[in-house]
Amino acid sequence: QKEVEQNSGPLSVPEGAIASLNCTYSDRGSQSFFWYRQYSGKSPELIMFIYSNGDKEDGRFTAQLNKASQYVSLLIRDSQPSDSATYLCAVNLNQAGTALIFGKGTTLSVSS
Amino acid sequence: DAGVIQSPRHEVTEMGQEVTLRCKPISGHNSLFWYRQTMMRGLELLIYFNNNVPIDDSGMPEDRFSAKMPNASFSTLKIQPSEPRDSAVYFCASSLRETQYFGPGTRLLVL
Repeated sequence: QKEVEQNSGPLSVPEGAIASLNCTYSDRGSQSFFWYRQYSGKSPELIMFIYSNGDKEDGRFTAQLNKASQYVSLLIRDSQPSDSATYLCAVNLNQAGTALIFGKGTTLSVSS
Repeated sequence: DAGVIQSPRHEVTEMGQEVTLRCKPISGHNSLFWYRQTMMRGLELLIYFNNNVPIDDSGMPEDRFSAKMPNASFSTLKIQPSEPRDSAVYFCASSLRETQYFGPGTRLLVL
């Protein structure tokens, strides 16, 4: 059974610091990787996705993918209290890439 | 666009009752997903549709759960009979390509 693993946290960082969120996945054939953010009581929303090994940057967010190690991470630079949320890692479930399997999420707390 | 619409937003029912959750996907999206989220199990994929056709229902926990998508703009998830362990937040999501857009969810409590 395909699995996505995340440390549940909470991960606590001070405002302005770099937050590093990590995720491992079991299926070596996975091709698409996603990071979603979920505020308490709200629905998940996409932050970014990555398909290729290496880094992908979008503003304060950087996704890093290492397929050999089956590892994907999300770095948040200059963390803000508004970044406090649960971050869900997701991996494509099938070759078509439409269905996703989610990790249980890491809760991030940014203190001011 | 109004985004993915779900109803009801909250549902409280008694064990044994039938529960029907409704979803309207974003116009033009061809894939629709039903998820269940609990603290213990996280966000679980129950079933998904491509072009109104059910593709994978292996996540549906029991025969008590059923889902339909009669047209491109409407889907239902039904639980009959409901049990207290079905209490969770149920999300519907839709997509055109890989990016899934989630609805606000239905918070279900079965007493």
